[in-house]
Amino acid sequence: EADIYQTPRYLVIGTGKKITLECSQTMGHDKMYWYQQDPGMELHLIHYSYGVNSTEKGDLSSESTVSRIRTEHFPLTLESARPSHTSQYLCASSHLGGHGYTFGSGTRLTVV
Amino acid sequence: GQQVMQIPQYQHVQEGEDFTTYCNSSTTLSNIQWYKQRPGGHPVFLIQLVKSGEVKKQKRLTFQFGEAKKNSSLHITATQTTDVGTYFCAGNTGFQKLVFGTGTRLLVSP
Repeated sequence: EADIYQTPRYLVIGTGKKITLECSQTMGHDKMYWYQQDPGMELHLIHYSYGVNSTEKGDLSSESTVSRIRTEHFPLTLESARPSHTSQYLCASSHLGGHGYTFGSGTRLTVV
Repeated sequence: GQQVMQIPQYQHVQEGEDFTTYCNSSTTLSNIQWYKQRPGGHPVFLIQLVKSGEVKKQKRLTFQFGEAKKNSSLHITATQTTDVGTYFCAGNTGFQKLVFGTGTRLLVSP
């Protein structure tokens, strides 16, 4: 079944560690996005991509980086995690022509 | 930059009561989308409205896009406990990037 997958689902990590949050989709969508969301709060766009080798920063300043080497894969990397990075990270994808976003189940990150 | 505000921020209703959330954009939108996020879950796409004044229904949910394409509303008739969650609108200005609203959290008591 076509879907979007995020791993890990939960992650607790120490300050200063490097981490990569994985996101893969099997729907053939060109556009992919990373959002940061604190519980019950707004979604903040941190990165997006319109296709392979295309990445842009979103509206919320972030110390993370992304890559898009394959259409289906859009990982997000934090080089040095800090407690302020504690949040939920949601990956989403959509067709180039628009219509709704499909979201992954998210990664809940806690930096201690 | 573009802002999309929603009111109310939070509403608590008794099961069977109606509920409405309003979405207002600072700029004209090419289309608007609505999402529902259950507690602990991720946003799920509900619907997209494109035309000025458009009204769409999904069972007990009625979605409306304003004439000026700067506002929208979601109305739920006779709420049920399964309607609990946060409802987000998301506006598209035509630059292919959605701007999500601030969300309205709905709590339904049995």
